[in-house]
Amino acid sequence: TQLLEQSPQFLSIQEGENLTVYCNSSSVFSSLQWYRQEPGEGPVLLVTVVTGGEVKKLKRLTFQFGDARKDSSLHITAAQPGDTGLYLCAGESPKDSNYQLIWGAGTKLIIKP
Amino acid sequence: GAGVSQTPSNKVTEKGKYVELRCDPISGHTALYWYRQSLGQGPEFLIYFQGTGAADDSGLPNDRFFAVRPEGSVSTLKIQRTERGDSAVYLCASSPIAGGTDTQYFGPGTRLTVL
Repeated sequence: TQLLEQSPQFLSIQEGENLTVYCNSSSVFSSLQWYRQEPGEGPVLLVTVVTGGEVKKLKRLTFQFGDARKDSSLHITAAQPGDTGLYLCAGESPKDSNYQLIWGAGTKLIIKP
Repeated sequence: GAGVSQTPSNKVTEKGKYVELRCDPISGHTALYWYRQSLGQGPEFLIYFQGTGAADDSGLPNDRFFAVRPEGSVSTLKIQRTERGDSAVYLCASSPIAGGTDTQYFGPGTRLTVL
């Protein structure tokens, strides 16, 4: 069974600090997606990484896909209260049909003003 | 344009009752997905439609769960003889075509509480 483990499960930091959250697996993924989910809403796609070693930036957010395509990280610079939410990673298996994503349990992030 | 909508937003029912949850996908999206999300967890795949047909229902937990999409647009998730363990947020997502890398657009979910 393929699993995606996210760490930490919970993170509470002050506005202005930097942070990194991780998404790890022992399995290889064709691609990996990061989502942010706010209370009472569905997840919203932030980025998709496809190539091993790929780095994508979205304003203060930097996403990296591991060289072996088994892990990914999300780094936030100078976190702001608006970054608060549940960050989910989801991977597309190269073995299975290409419509089903494997989801992590998420990192709940709270940025205190 | 309108996003994915789900109704009702909240549903409280008693153990043993029947419930229907509705999803209106983005117009023109071929693929539609149902997920279940428990507190503190990521979404759990239930079923996927490509057009009117269920391309994969392997995530449905048991035969009390059933979903339809008769005209290839609106979908209804049906749960018979509800149990307390069915309590969760039920999310619907749609995408233009099927594919893991194709963006899935999620609705706000229906929070189901079984008493």
